[in-house]
Amino acid sequence: DAGITQSPRHKVTETGTPVTLRCHQTENHRYMYWYRQDPGHGLRLIHYSYGVKDTDKGEVSDGYSVSRSKTEDFLLTLESATSSQTSVYFCAISEHRAIQETQYFGPGTRLLVL
Amino acid sequence: KQEVTQIPAALSVPEGENLVLNCSFTDSAIYNLQWFRQDPGKGLTSLLLIQSSQREQTSGRLNASLDKSSGRSTLYIAASQPGDSATYLCAVNIIGGTYKYIFGTGTRLKVLA
Repeated sequence: DAGITQSPRHKVTETGTPVTLRCHQTENHRYMYWYRQDPGHGLRLIHYSYGVKDTDKGEVSDGYSVSRSKTEDFLLTLESATSSQTSVYFCAISEHRAIQETQYFGPGTRLLVL
Repeated sequence: KQEVTQIPAALSVPEGENLVLNCSFTDSAIYNLQWFRQDPGKGLTSLLLIQSSQREQTSGRLNASLDKSSGRSTLYIAASQPGDSATYLCAVNIIGGTYKYIFGTGTRLKVLA
Protein backbone atom coordinates (compact mmCIF):
# COMPACT_ATOMS: atom_id res chain seq x y z
CA ASP A 1 0.00 0.00 0.00
CA ALA A 2 1.09 3.53 -0.75
CA GLY A 3 2.29 5.37 2.34
CA ILE A 4 -0.52 7.81 2.96
CA THR A 5 -1.85 8.71 6.37
CA GLN A 6 -4.58 11.09 7.37
CA SER A 7 -5.09 12.70 10.74
CA PRO A 8 -7.28 12.83 12.61
CA ARG A 9 -9.29 9.81 11.47
CA HIS A 10 -12.42 11.02 13.24
CA LYS A 11 -13.40 14.45 14.46
CA VAL A 12 -16.46 16.03 15.98
CA THR A 13 -16.53 19.80 16.10
CA GLU A 14 -18.99 22.65 16.50
CA THR A 15 -20.23 25.07 13.90
CA GLY A 16 -17.97 28.09 13.56
CA THR A 17 -14.79 26.47 14.81
CA PRO A 18 -11.68 26.10 12.63
CA VAL A 19 -10.62 22.60 11.65
CA THR A 20 -7.42 21.38 9.99
CA LEU A 21 -7.03 17.98 8.43
CA ARG A 22 -3.61 16.62 7.61
CA CYS A 23 -2.48 14.33 4.83
CA HIS A 24 1.01 12.89 5.01
CA GLN A 25 2.73 10.82 2.30
CA THR A 26 6.02 8.94 2.23
CA GLU A 27 6.02 8.32 -1.55
CA ASN A 28 7.47 11.68 -2.65
CA HIS A 29 4.63 12.04 -5.17
CA ARG A 30 4.20 15.43 -6.74
CA TYR A 31 0.39 15.61 -6.86
CA MET A 32 -1.86 15.61 -3.80
CA TYR A 33 -5.63 15.92 -3.67
CA TRP A 34 -8.39 16.51 -1.17
CA TYR A 35 -11.83 15.05 -1.86
CA ARG A 36 -15.05 14.88 0.07
CA GLN A 37 -17.44 11.97 -0.23
CA ASP A 38 -21.14 12.36 0.41
CA PRO A 39 -24.08 10.05 -0.29
CA GLY A 40 -25.43 10.62 -3.76
CA HIS A 41 -22.50 12.76 -4.84
CA GLY A 42 -19.57 10.39 -5.03
CA LEU A 43 -16.13 11.91 -4.58
CA ARG A 44 -15.80 15.59 -5.32
CA LEU A 45 -12.51 17.40 -5.63
CA ILE A 46 -11.99 20.21 -3.11
CA HIS A 47 -8.42 21.35 -3.80
CA TYR A 48 -5.31 19.85 -5.25
CA SER A 49 -1.59 20.54 -5.31
CA TYR A 50 0.89 20.01 -8.12
CA GLY A 51 3.97 20.87 -6.09
CA VAL A 52 5.19 22.64 -2.97
CA LYS A 53 3.26 25.89 -2.61
CA ASP A 54 1.39 25.15 -5.88
CA THR A 55 -2.30 24.59 -5.31
CA ASP A 56 -5.54 25.05 -7.20
CA LYS A 57 -9.27 24.82 -6.61
CA GLY A 58 -11.46 21.87 -7.37
CA GLU A 59 -15.20 21.82 -7.94
CA VAL A 60 -16.27 22.35 -4.30
CA SER A 61 -13.60 24.65 -2.87
CA ASP A 62 -15.82 27.26 -1.16
CA GLY A 63 -15.21 27.30 2.60
CA TYR A 64 -11.93 25.41 2.33
CA SER A 65 -8.30 26.42 2.06
CA VAL A 66 -5.16 24.34 1.65
CA SER A 67 -1.45 24.62 2.16
CA ARG A 68 1.54 22.61 1.08
CA SER A 69 4.80 23.79 2.57
CA LYS A 70 6.66 20.54 1.91
CA THR A 71 6.26 17.63 -0.46
CA GLU A 72 4.98 15.17 2.11
CA ASP A 73 2.24 17.23 3.78
CA PHE A 74 -1.00 18.68 2.42
CA LEU A 75 -3.27 20.46 4.88
CA LEU A 76 -6.97 21.13 4.44
CA THR A 77 -8.46 23.88 6.60
CA LEU A 78 -12.07 24.69 7.26
CA GLU A 79 -11.81 28.25 8.51
CA SER A 80 -15.25 28.23 10.12
CA ALA A 81 -16.87 24.83 9.97
CA THR A 82 -20.52 24.51 8.93
CA SER A 83 -22.90 21.56 9.16
CA SER A 84 -22.79 21.23 5.37
CA GLN A 85 -19.12 20.30 5.71
CA THR A 86 -19.98 17.13 7.61
CA SER A 87 -18.51 14.51 5.35
CA VAL A 88 -15.81 11.94 4.83
CA TYR A 89 -12.62 13.52 3.55
CA PHE A 90 -10.10 11.60 1.48
CA CYS A 91 -6.60 12.53 0.54
CA ALA A 92 -4.99 11.08 -2.58
CA ILE A 93 -1.59 11.24 -4.23
CA SER A 94 -0.31 10.59 -7.74
CA GLU A 95 2.75 10.99 -9.89
CA HIS A 96 2.43 11.56 -13.61
CA ARG A 97 5.74 10.71 -15.15
CA ALA A 98 4.02 8.50 -17.71
CA ILE A 99 0.43 9.74 -17.57
CA GLN A 100 -0.77 6.26 -16.72
CA GLU A 101 0.01 6.65 -13.04
CA THR A 102 -2.89 5.91 -10.76
CA GLN A 103 -4.13 7.72 -7.70
CA TYR A 104 -3.54 6.25 -4.25
CA PHE A 105 -5.96 7.06 -1.49
CA GLY A 106 -5.64 7.53 2.23
CA PRO A 107 -8.01 5.88 4.73
CA GLY A 108 -10.24 8.93 5.11
CA THR A 109 -11.27 11.31 7.90
CA ARG A 110 -14.83 11.34 9.18
CA LEU A 111 -15.83 14.86 10.17
CA LEU A 112 -19.02 15.70 12.00
CA VAL A 113 -19.92 19.36 12.43
CA LEU A 114 -22.63 19.90 15.03
CA LYS B 1 -18.06 20.38 -17.79
CA GLN B 2 -17.19 16.72 -17.48
CA GLU B 3 -19.86 14.56 -15.87
CA VAL B 4 -19.45 10.90 -14.99
CA THR B 5 -22.47 8.65 -14.49
CA GLN B 6 -22.63 5.08 -13.21
CA ILE B 7 -25.56 2.79 -13.75
CA PRO B 8 -26.94 0.94 -11.89
CA ALA B 9 -26.53 2.61 -8.51
CA ALA B 10 -26.90 -0.75 -6.78
CA LEU B 11 -26.79 -4.36 -7.91
CA SER B 12 -27.40 -7.65 -6.16
CA VAL B 13 -26.43 -10.93 -7.83
CA PRO B 14 -26.01 -14.58 -6.82
CA GLU B 15 -22.52 -15.96 -6.44
CA GLY B 16 -20.95 -17.23 -9.65
CA GLU B 17 -22.74 -14.83 -11.96
CA ASN B 18 -20.85 -12.76 -14.53
CA LEU B 19 -21.75 -9.09 -14.34
CA VAL B 20 -21.14 -5.76 -16.02
CA LEU B 21 -20.91 -2.35 -14.41
CA ASN B 22 -21.32 0.73 -16.57
CA CYS B 23 -19.67 4.13 -16.56
CA SER B 24 -20.38 6.99 -18.96
CA PHE B 25 -18.71 10.36 -19.33
CA THR B 26 -19.67 13.44 -21.31
CA ASP B 27 -16.30 14.76 -22.56
CA SER B 28 -13.93 12.47 -24.45
CA ALA B 29 -10.88 14.66 -23.70
CA ILE B 30 -9.40 12.35 -21.08
CA TYR B 31 -5.94 11.02 -20.30
CA ASN B 32 -7.23 7.80 -18.83
CA LEU B 33 -10.08 6.15 -16.97
CA GLN B 34 -9.77 4.18 -13.76
CA TRP B 35 -11.96 1.77 -11.90
CA PHE B 36 -11.74 1.75 -8.12
CA ARG B 37 -13.11 -0.46 -5.39
CA GLN B 38 -14.25 0.90 -2.04
CA ASP B 39 -15.12 -1.28 0.91
CA PRO B 40 -17.41 0.14 3.62
CA GLY B 41 -15.60 2.65 5.81
CA LYS B 42 -12.41 2.39 3.79
CA GLY B 43 -10.49 4.33 1.18
CA LEU B 44 -10.39 3.57 -2.53
CA THR B 45 -8.22 0.94 -4.16
CA SER B 46 -7.38 1.15 -7.85
CA LEU B 47 -8.43 -1.92 -9.83
CA LEU B 48 -7.69 -1.08 -13.44
CA LEU B 49 -6.45 1.89 -15.40
CA ILE B 50 -7.09 2.30 -19.11
CA GLN B 51 -5.12 4.85 -21.09
CA SER B 52 -7.11 6.93 -23.57
CA SER B 53 -5.37 5.11 -26.43
CA GLN B 54 -6.27 1.66 -25.10
CA ARG B 55 -9.44 -0.34 -25.54
CA GLU B 56 -9.28 -2.64 -22.53
CA GLN B 57 -7.32 -3.83 -19.54
CA THR B 58 -7.52 -7.12 -17.67
CA SER B 59 -6.58 -8.19 -14.18
CA GLY B 60 -7.59 -11.63 -13.03
CA ARG B 61 -11.38 -11.90 -13.17
CA LEU B 62 -11.75 -8.22 -14.02
CA ASN B 63 -11.86 -6.73 -17.48
CA ALA B 64 -12.39 -3.06 -18.18
CA SER B 65 -13.15 -1.64 -21.60
CA LEU B 66 -13.08 1.90 -22.89
CA ASP B 67 -14.88 3.42 -25.85
CA LYS B 68 -13.74 7.00 -25.71
CA SER B 69 -15.67 8.15 -28.73
CA SER B 70 -18.97 7.13 -27.20
CA GLY B 71 -17.97 8.14 -23.68
CA ARG B 72 -18.44 4.70 -22.17
CA SER B 73 -16.55 2.20 -20.07
CA THR B 74 -17.58 -1.14 -18.65
CA LEU B 75 -16.16 -3.23 -15.85
CA TYR B 76 -16.77 -6.94 -16.36
CA ILE B 77 -16.48 -9.22 -13.32
CA ALA B 78 -16.35 -12.91 -14.09
CA ALA B 79 -17.60 -15.61 -11.72
CA SER B 80 -18.53 -13.18 -8.97
CA GLN B 81 -17.77 -14.05 -5.34
CA PRO B 82 -19.11 -12.70 -2.03
CA GLY B 83 -15.71 -11.04 -1.53
CA ASP B 84 -16.43 -8.87 -4.56
CA SER B 85 -19.14 -7.09 -2.60
CA ALA B 86 -18.14 -3.43 -2.46
CA THR B 87 -18.80 -0.11 -4.16
CA TYR B 88 -17.15 0.30 -7.54
CA LEU B 89 -16.30 3.78 -8.79
CA CYS B 90 -15.01 4.96 -12.11
CA ALA B 91 -13.01 8.14 -12.55
CA VAL B 92 -11.76 10.02 -15.59
CA ASN B 93 -8.49 11.91 -15.63
CA ILE B 94 -9.36 15.02 -17.58
CA ILE B 95 -7.15 16.95 -19.96
CA GLY B 96 -6.70 20.55 -18.99
CA GLY B 97 -3.21 21.56 -17.95
CA THR B 98 -3.03 19.70 -14.67
CA TYR B 99 -4.16 16.27 -13.66
CA LYS B 100 -7.66 16.23 -12.20
CA TYR B 101 -9.97 13.32 -11.69
CA ILE B 102 -13.76 13.38 -11.93
CA PHE B 103 -15.56 10.52 -10.19
CA GLY B 104 -18.85 8.82 -10.78
CA THR B 105 -21.22 8.18 -7.88
CA GLY B 106 -20.48 4.46 -7.85
CA THR B 107 -22.29 1.15 -8.11
CA ARG B 108 -22.87 -0.71 -4.85
CA LEU B 109 -22.48 -4.43 -5.56
CA LYS B 110 -23.67 -7.23 -3.33
CA VAL B 111 -22.82 -10.81 -4.24
CA LEU B 112 -25.01 -13.31 -2.43
CA ALA B 113 -23.57 -16.63 -1.26
